[in-house]
Amino acid sequence: DAKTTQPPSMDCAEGRAANLPCNHSTISGNEYVYWYRQIHSQGPQYIIHGLKNNETNEMASLIITEDRKSSTLILPHATLRDTAVYYCIVRVQATDSWGKLQFGAGTQVVVTP
Amino acid sequence: ETGVTQTPRHLVMGMTNKKSLKCEQHLGHNAMYWYKQSAKKPLELMFVYSLEERVENNSVPSRFSPECPNSSHLFLHLHTLQPEDSALYLCASSQDSRGTHGYTFGSGTRLTVV
Repeated sequence: DAKTTQPPSMDCAEGRAANLPCNHSTISGNEYVYWYRQIHSQGPQYIIHGLKNNETNEMASLIITEDRKSSTLILPHATLRDTAVYYCIVRVQATDSWGKLQFGAGTQVVVTP
Repeated sequence: ETGVTQTPRHLVMGMTNKKSLKCEQHLGHNAMYWYKQSAKKPLELMFVYSLEERVENNSVPSRFSPECPNSSHLFLHLHTLQPEDSALYLCASSQDSRGTHGYTFGSGTRLTVV
């Protein structure tokens, strides 16, 4: 699976949009981009994933560049409860492969009042 | 609650003890995983079970012994652990073995080996 690069930390003001970047320049054509977050002392929580097109759900939006070498997770209106470590992961989804997530260091996001 | 329940939440054990961690999911998922998260380190995949069959053992020492008696339950049996094994142990499950619809994690067991 391709490696990802994320900034180690970023701050965001409550109520503002948080834009979390991720570089995955070696991503392959069949690799999806996944985002998870981990609030302190809890297990990781799935946020969103995508392949080529931009995706949106009730938690966030995922913007993937046309060349797929980078993506941005957008939290539209950050709240204090969004303070967490955010992980960007790329992995293959193949009919004959079992699921495996490889976590990096992620981005520590701190939302301030 | 995520649908994946881990017990106990906290465990302190001596190096000569034998203990077991339990994970339970009633989401109808067919794959289950054990991850280890040490302080200031990324999550490390330990074991993968797909339809109750172990499909990966990531070079985990034999003092960690997994067991998957059915698709809803996963255990991690611990014996003669070392202090460096102190960590947060996380269980996860996915609907199918490809993880197409994402993974659901439990809240973890905080293990301290003394």
